[in-house]
Amino acid sequence: DADVTQTPRNRITKTGKRIMLECSQTKGHDRMYWYRQDPGLGLRLIYYSFDVKDINKGEISDGYSVSRQAQAKFSLSLESAIPNQTALYFCATSESGGTDTQYFGPGTRLTVL
Amino acid sequence: RKEVEQDPGPFNVPEGATVAFNCTYSNSASQSFFWYRQDCRKEPKLLMSVYSSGNEDGRFTAQLNRASQYISLLIRDSKLSDSATYLCVVNPSGGYNKLIFGAGTRLAVHP
Repeated sequence: DADVTQTPRNRITKTGKRIMLECSQTKGHDRMYWYRQDPGLGLRLIYYSFDVKDINKGEISDGYSVSRQAQAKFSLSLESAIPNQTALYFCATSESGGTDTQYFGPGTRLTVL
Repeated sequence: RKEVEQDPGPFNVPEGATVAFNCTYSNSASQSFFWYRQDCRKEPKLLMSVYSSGNEDGRFTAQLNRASQYISLLIRDSKLSDSATYLCVVNPSGGYNKLIFGAGTRLAVHP
């Protein structure tokens, strides 16, 4: 079984809809991250969380919100989706105090029409 | 200027070739450096960390030049399975696990 899972894997939605992307991990890591990837751009950090009570904005948090429901779960919400949020979204985890290595989920491909 | 810059490629090489990718970073205080590999439509995976003294893992060699702020990845004896996008990744702040990703260099190895 995969250590970091994301649901759904693909989603097509309409402008204005609320969308939630979910991430779960069995690695026991404290730190979790949400990124988006667009063609020709590197992964960009949306939000990150270093533990259940710690949530931080990343580079491009506008239009997004997150919830860290438990150590193993970190969800990303688009309150009112817009077409330029069409992208590939990745969740990642890392150990606190360990190496910088981040472990990624398989990604969610989101299309906003 | 982007924080991490890479030549997007694609690099089209025959099997057995040696190919090198470079990456530059803008923050001179950056602490740690990595190469990740990303297959088409898949998640990035760590290929190797990059150490100041340079490091090698089989056919892959990574080098760091702090004075010039660039990182390189050399792949020897390319295999078809090496076809992927290679992401240069920098931790600018050390200790906070916040990584900055380059846009990637695409490699296509052909028979």
